[in-house]
Amino acid sequence: KQEVTQIPAALSVPEGENLVLNCSFTDSAIYNLQWFRQDPGKGLTSLLLIQSSQREQTSGRLNASLDKSSGRSTLYIAASQPGDSATYLCAAPSGTYKYIFGTGTRLKVLA
Amino acid sequence: EAGVVQSPRYKIIEKKQPVAFWCNPISGHNTLYWYLQNLGQGPELLIRYENEEAVDDSQLPKDRFSAERLKGVDSTLKIQPAELGDSAVYLCASSLGSVAAPDTQYFGPGTRLTVL
Repeated sequence: KQEVTQIPAALSVPEGENLVLNCSFTDSAIYNLQWFRQDPGKGLTSLLLIQSSQREQTSGRLNASLDKSSGRSTLYIAASQPGDSATYLCAAPSGTYKYIFGTGTRLKVLA
Repeated sequence: EAGVVQSPRYKIIEKKQPVAFWCNPISGHNTLYWYLQNLGQGPELLIRYENEEAVDDSQLPKDRFSAERLKGVDSTLKIQPAELGDSAVYLCASSLGSVAAPDTQYFGPGTRLTVL
């Protein structure tokens, strides 16, 4: 059974800092892993999807890495901005088509 | 291109009343998901459709919840009767549908249900 844990639960940083969000999963037999962003009162927006054959995926200031053997993924945000403030969730597959979500990291970037 | 559309955005009802949520997925997306999200938690899958077929409804409380996806496009999720513990955000998501592996899911804004 897949379980997904995200640490830290909350993070507050000054603008401009580089930061790392962590995601760990218990079942390493995964096809891919997704990172999402959720703004208050909104749905989830897909940020990055890393295939199991990849080790990294980049989009702008975001870089996600995947280490299946250790059951870990990290989301790196470079030069953080106040607009990055949101909750970041990772999701790992359980079985073929079902995603298990972590509880998220609530990020606040201070101007 | 329009994203996933959900309505209503907010719903307040008395306990024991029925309620229904509607979802219109992105055009061409074969897979549709309904999730429940409690405050401070990640979404939890309720049901997944491949076209009009419910292929995973193991997490759907079938005594009070029902869902349908007519013609493999729009979907409705119904609760009858609602209980206080059903208060949550109900999210709909869709994806193209990949034979090999789960692919990128696109989420709607959700319906926030409050049961009094």
